[in-house]
Amino acid sequence: GQNIDQPTEMTATEGAIVQINCTYQTSGFNGLFWYQQHAGEAPTFLSYNVLDGLEEKGRFSSFLSRSKGYSYLLLKELQMKDSASYLCAVRDSNYQLIWGAGTKLIIKP
Amino acid sequence: ETGVTQTPRHLVMGMTNKKSLKCEQHLGHNAMYWYKQSAKKPLELMFVYNFKEQTENNSVPSRFSPECPNSSHLFLHLHTLQPEDSALYLCASSQKPQGGSGELFFGEGSRLTVL
Repeated sequence: GQNIDQPTEMTATEGAIVQINCTYQTSGFNGLFWYQQHAGEAPTFLSYNVLDGLEEKGRFSSFLSRSKGYSYLLLKELQMKDSASYLCAVRDSNYQLIWGAGTKLIIKP
Repeated sequence: ETGVTQTPRHLVMGMTNKKSLKCEQHLGHNAMYWYKQSAKKPLELMFVYNFKEQTENNSVPSRFSPECPNSSHLFLHLHTLQPEDSALYLCASSQKPQGGSGELFFGEGSRLTVL
């Protein structure tokens, strides 16, 4: 079966760096997405990786290794507003999105 | 503001009621989706519409009935629901259903409670 694994919850300190990992086993691969979802709000698109390597967008970066079935989202200079759930999703060979259960990130002062 | 609007934001209904969820997208996208989000579970895709045509129904019980009158509007009609159907129902749209990044734009969801 197809599966996405990511930690259920993580805690980090304001101003620090945190890495949220995502591992996947899917039928084929056509891209990996990260979304951010604040409590009670819509998930919003953060990043898309289809080739190996690091994509940087301001304080957020996303890394992909297709051979390892692995991605991470790196958040730098953490701010309180970064407290949210982070969803990892992989598009398989049928262009279906397979979702992880999300990682709840708690930022402490 | 994501460009996708869902109403109502909250809904409480009994198991014998009939209600509808509404979604409208202002982005000119050609694909729309219904997802179910339950606590600590992955998003579950329910229905997909491309150019108003339903292209996916992921074994969703018939008590959920989608309707897509045009490419900007999507409804989810609910009847004789069960308590386990209580969840957040998310609507999403995308520009490219396949290929490219084709990221999803989500509405804020309709929080459904079935008593």
